[in-house]
Amino acid sequence: DAGVIQSPRHEVTEMGQEVTLRCKPISGHNSLFWYRQTMMRGLELLIYFNNNVPIDDSGMPEDRFSAKMPNASFSTLKIQPSEPRDSAVYFCASSYGTLAPNSPLHFGNGTRLTVT
Amino acid sequence: GQQVMQIPQYQHVQEGEDFTTYCNSSTTLSNIQWYKQRPGGHPVFLIQLVKSGEVKKQKRLTFQFGEAKKNSSLHITATQTTDVGTYFCAGTSSGNTGKLIFGQGTTLQVKP
Repeated sequence: DAGVIQSPRHEVTEMGQEVTLRCKPISGHNSLFWYRQTMMRGLELLIYFNNNVPIDDSGMPEDRFSAKMPNASFSTLKIQPSEPRDSAVYFCASSYGTLAPNSPLHFGNGTRLTVT
Repeated sequence: GQQVMQIPQYQHVQEGEDFTTYCNSSTTLSNIQWYKQRPGGHPVFLIQLVKSGEVKKQKRLTFQFGEAKKNSSLHITATQTTDVGTYFCAGTSSGNTGKLIFGQGTTLQVKP
């Protein structure tokens, strides 16, 4: 079991640039979550998908953020244009199932994004 | 919207002392999960509680789910330096499919 794979591990970019974060969920998992972690705001749920369909994107900060899941084994989170306040660790997590009770989330190692 | 509050934010204990973190939800939960995140790492699932009043144990860790399913606690007996990290509770509101909301976490420091 390779676990949830995220890339890149670290990303440093200048304000205004486009940033794309990538995630490969665990094979067989049908739910995928994107979280953002900062000291001030903790772990924030940005968006989650079930069977490749976005279910709830109410946590996406603004139109600069977008997420896609073109197939069961790949998802992207894009920020365009990036701003310094977007600096955070972005986690992708996957699980099996939809309805409560949830099954455990398996987190990737995260992408540490720094926008200068 | 659904909110999950966790206290305390930080806790420093001497090795061997006990530790407890508390989690409170603004809404009734269908389940609650607990995660541990080591410094520089990612959250790792510890346990899930589903039933009202449920108590589960994992070695020195005891997890409780309140009778009203709006609060939970994690108690560690005789802390060790390996317990260092941030402990998160995360819950799903009843009727809210799949949306897992995390508390702010309690960061535990253990002095040897």
